[in-house]
Amino acid sequence: AQSVTQLDSHVSVSEGTPVLLRCNYSSSYSPSLFWYVQHPNKGLQLLLKYTSAATLVKGINGFEAEFKKSETSFHLTKPSAHMSDAAEYFCVAPGRGANNLFFGTGTRLTVIP
Amino acid sequence: AAGVIQSPRHLIKEKRETATLKCYPIPRHDTVYWYQQGPGQDPQFLISFYEKMQSDKGSIPDRFSAQQFSDYHSELNMSSLELGDSALYFCASSLRGSSYNSPLHFGNGTRLTVT
Repeated sequence: AQSVTQLDSHVSVSEGTPVLLRCNYSSSYSPSLFWYVQHPNKGLQLLLKYTSAATLVKGINGFEAEFKKSETSFHLTKPSAHMSDAAEYFCVAPGRGANNLFFGTGTRLTVIP
Repeated sequence: AAGVIQSPRHLIKEKRETATLKCYPIPRHDTVYWYQQGPGQDPQFLISFYEKMQSDKGSIPDRFSAQQFSDYHSELNMSSLELGDSALYFCASSLRGSSYNSPLHFGNGTRLTVT
């Protein structure tokens, strides 16, 4: 079974500065991993997914994530934060049987003007 | 592009009442998932259906039931509502019944308030 741990419950950055949201995973095999974003009172939107095709995954809105097996990490990054990036971000792994998803506890990103 | 449609967007019920939430998946998606997200919580998996059969079950209370119909839409039925059931309920859909290679697409959720 897979599980994910998001290391920061809240990250605050200034507009125009880089974003780093950290996620570590535990898995006995090569995992699939996703990042989802949730804006207030909205559904969850897929940012990007890793399915072992490439370790550096590019997603929407300028986000990308790098799968590092040696560090068991899948951190989400963006070179320059925008005000519209303020949201909750979830690192997600397929669950038991792969017929559902298990979410990390989420990281709330605040962007300061 | 068509997205997952959930109705209603908001629902207010009293304790011990029943509620029915509806979900219309993306066309051609054959798998539907239900999640519950309490205030400040991460989404918790409730139940999923693949080709109209229950495929996985999570932390869904016995008071809740769900089904997927022949047109692939799904309904979550909640009875004997409790204050703790107040939450945002998400439906998601995917293709081919697996979240590994077919990421879930989420609706905007139904906010249920139990008073």
